[in-house]
Amino acid sequence: DVKVTQSSRYLVKRTGEKVFLECVQDMDHENMFWYRQDPGLGLRLIYFSYDVKMKEKGDIPEGYSVSREKKERFSLILESASTNQTSMYLCASSSPPGTGYNGYTFGSGTRLTVV
Amino acid sequence: QQQVKQSPQSLIVQKGGISIINCAYENTAFDYFPWYQQFPGKGPALLIAIRPDVSEKKEGRFTISFNKSAKQFSLHIMDSQPGDSATYFCAASEGGSQGNLIFGKGTKLSVKP
Repeated sequence: DVKVTQSSRYLVKRTGEKVFLECVQDMDHENMFWYRQDPGLGLRLIYFSYDVKMKEKGDIPEGYSVSREKKERFSLILESASTNQTSMYLCASSSPPGTGYNGYTFGSGTRLTVV
Repeated sequence: QQQVKQSPQSLIVQKGGISIINCAYENTAFDYFPWYQQFPGKGPALLIAIRPDVSEKKEGRFTISFNKSAKQFSLHIMDSQPGDSATYFCAASEGGSQGNLIFGKGTKLSVKP
């Protein structure tokens, strides 16, 4: 019954590496989001997308980029990983308001450690 | 600026007690107020949500109380159980826009047996 799948639960990468975090949803949702979660800081929005090939910056986009080539897949890219990007990354999807909107469905998260 | 302020940051409650988490917002255009529950190692999951046309919504032991004039809403967990121990996030959005949720910073609830 998994609906938002993040490809990795745990990742360890080296400083400077290019890192890809993958997210796939099977609910035919238009909207997809990437957050990072850090203790005391809550959920911070990195990027979001309302449609294929469309992306919008969230609150903390620096050091990140995204790709959405297919409706069901939203990838987060760390161009050159740094230790301050060590965090829990959460992907979410939703349908737009007025189309049976029922909040976000989150994946289980990817715990990324950059060493 | 933080658009949704959540308190307390952490909460310890005895089994059987009432857990209360509060949130306040500024944007009067918000029209959807969900609460999410997150267990360790999992993503947040929608717990209960309310729209501003009602003052209270109850689902089992979980109740949202909404005060539109005060721009506040709260989550009450009655008869709290150790299995309720989790992090809780409040959120708010404007349905008329694309509906991006603005999250509070979370409350870590521990229910002691």
